[in-house]
Amino acid sequence: DGGITQSPKYLFRKEGQNVTLSCEQNLNHDAMYWYRQDPGQGLRLIYYSQIVNDFQKGDIAEGYSVSREKKESFPLTVTSAQKNPTAFYLCASGETGLTDIQYFGAGTRLSVL
Amino acid sequence: AQSVTQPDIHITVSEGASLELRCNYSYGATPYLFWYVQSPGQGLQLLLKYFSGDTLVQGIKGFEAEFKRSQSSFNLRKPSVHWSDAAEYFCAVGAGQAGTALIFGKGTTLSVSS
Repeated sequence: DGGITQSPKYLFRKEGQNVTLSCEQNLNHDAMYWYRQDPGQGLRLIYYSQIVNDFQKGDIAEGYSVSREKKESFPLTVTSAQKNPTAFYLCASGETGLTDIQYFGAGTRLSVL
Repeated sequence: AQSVTQPDIHITVSEGASLELRCNYSYGATPYLFWYVQSPGQGLQLLLKYFSGDTLVQGIKGFEAEFKRSQSSFNLRKPSVHWSDAAEYFCAVGAGQAGTALIFGKGTTLSVSS
């Protein structure tokens, strides 16, 4: 089945630790996105990538980093500089050359120990 | 700047009753508009979308939405709500440039009472 796979489903971070959230898609989409969701805040854009080896900061990129070495993969690293990382993280993908339809993974819930 | 407002944080509807969730947007040109639904602990599922043409759009699960340019609104409706419709609903606007990110509203939580 085509889709977007996020792993792990739950992740715990210790103080001062970097953690990486995985996002893989087999939809052959060019564009991929990372959103952060906090209760009552909707979705806020962290980073997005329109093509391989290129990405742009979103509204809340501080304390996060990404890479896009393969079309299928767009991992997000939550660094120790992100002081409030507890949230639900959603990855999405979409086709460039068309309109903005985005398809979402099931999310990763990150908590701080 | 683009923005999306969902005025209702939480709505409770009786099962079988009709539903309308409000969405207002701010955007200079004709926007691309979306409604997504999210069950607890899950990702977002696309319900419907408006790009152009007929202002009344049909989606999955019996939902529809009407684009009203004069009111900058894109309200979601369903004639008869089922208990399984309880979820969080997000309205989003896109710039119409492929590969750019969507702007989401803060969501409306729908509870369904029996």
